[in-house]
Amino acid sequence: QQPVQSPQAVILREGEDAVINCSSSKALYSVHWYRQKHGEAPVFLMILLKGGEQKGHEKISASFNEKKQQSSLYLTASQLSYSGTYFCGTMRGADGLTFGKGTHLIIQP
Amino acid sequence: DTAVSQTPKYLVTQMGNDKSIKCEQNLGHDTMYWYKQDSKKFLKIMFSYNNKELIINETVPNRFSPKSPDKAHLNLHINSLELGDSAVYFCASSQGFSGYTFGSGTRLTVV
Repeated sequence: QQPVQSPQAVILREGEDAVINCSSSKALYSVHWYRQKHGEAPVFLMILLKGGEQKGHEKISASFNEKKQQSSLYLTASQLSYSGTYFCGTMRGADGLTFGKGTHLIIQP
Repeated sequence: DTAVSQTPKYLVTQMGNDKSIKCEQNLGHDTMYWYKQDSKKFLKIMFSYNNKELIINETVPNRFSPKSPDKAHLNLHINSLELGDSAVYFCASSQGFSGYTFGSGTRLTVV
């Protein structure tokens, strides 16, 4: 079951904040977040394994609400380098990651 | 030293041909994967191998066959290529609950 991401696209000015959401209709064991720049491979940002877990990476952090079966990625004081497509990936068991359709983020100077 | 390497980077071929894409990882990971990314950027899992055993085989045509000679390699062989097979194919690897490390991708164009 593919997770649903929202919004599909975001345009921000440098320094603004953004939130990307990822939700699933099925119970989740873990949520991954990746960023992909045009013409490049997806790059791992973080993984959340427990319900309620929050993780941070510089000005990028994420939360995982196991009850609501959703995760959110927070980008604070966005930089030009944050531009790209963000994917959440979910895993319900021993199977591999199923990715959402992605959120396209454009940061303007 | 590249962690996950794929070859070739670009592949242009005619319909009906058979082709292979190679993938190697030097991370010592136990599980390797193949993903297909279509023109709409949707990443779809195709196969995964754990310790040389296939643990997932999604609903892909049987023209696609993964082959893993050892833990560090997972190759993808495609028979009778069709126009709809045109996409970017990514190899990835992981260990336990770690994040996935992706290769740089192979852009396959079927003409």
